[in-house]
Amino acid sequence: DVVLTQTPSTLSATIGQSVSISCRSSQSLLDSAGNTYLYWYLQRPGQSPQLLIYLVSNLGSGVPNRFSGSGSGTDFTLKISGVEAEDLGVYYCMQATHAPLTFGSGTKLEIK
Amino acid sequence: EVQLVESGGGLVQPGRSLKLSCAASGFTFSNYYMAWVRQAPTKGLEWVASITNSGGSTYYRDSVKGRFTISRDNAKSTLYLQMDSLRSEDTATYYCTRAGDAWGQGASVTVSS
Repeated sequence: DVVLTQTPSTLSATIGQSVSISCRSSQSLLDSAGNTYLYWYLQRPGQSPQLLIYLVSNLGSGVPNRFSGSGSGTDFTLKISGVEAEDLGVYYCMQATHAPLTFGSGTKLEIK
Repeated sequence: EVQLVESGGGLVQPGRSLKLSCAASGFTFSNYYMAWVRQAPTKGLEWVASITNSGGSTYYRDSVKGRFTISRDNAKSTLYLQMDSLRSEDTATYYCTRAGDAWGQGASVTVSS
């Protein structure tokens, strides 16, 4: 199975600070058709996961544009440009290029 | 508005069965690949099973193969997860998801004697 390694596991930020989360894959997530099925989710406390980014860099519906995704192959990054209080929670990356679908272990964002 | 509403969770003894349902609305259900993802208490997300839009193909994680069955009724816009021979390690909140871009609120399953 593809292993997704997220770093850091915990992140503490002040309001307005920009932060980045890394997601590294044990295999390239580029498929033979040229697609990279890498997604980012935010799970707020007590809530279900919410899609932030799909296909590496595409913003989900209704997601603020302070969120952005980048990367290719095995290295991917989620950036939050100007953290807001509502951004606290656990961030997960997920890959769907290779079966079975797998998730990173999560990055907990705390607000200072 | 896209909505996914899970039901059928609860407390069950080891070895017994439970069937989860996920009622979908606000989109054409039959157009979408669907999946179940679970989250054990204080743990991360774990894919459980997936099904293609027609229901013609299904996929399972190794630990549930032969015990869980994913299915769908496109006429009723409903996704199912039949869980047999339940184990304590199946205790989790089970989410249905539309191809990863929309998620239900989750159904809690506790396997305990």
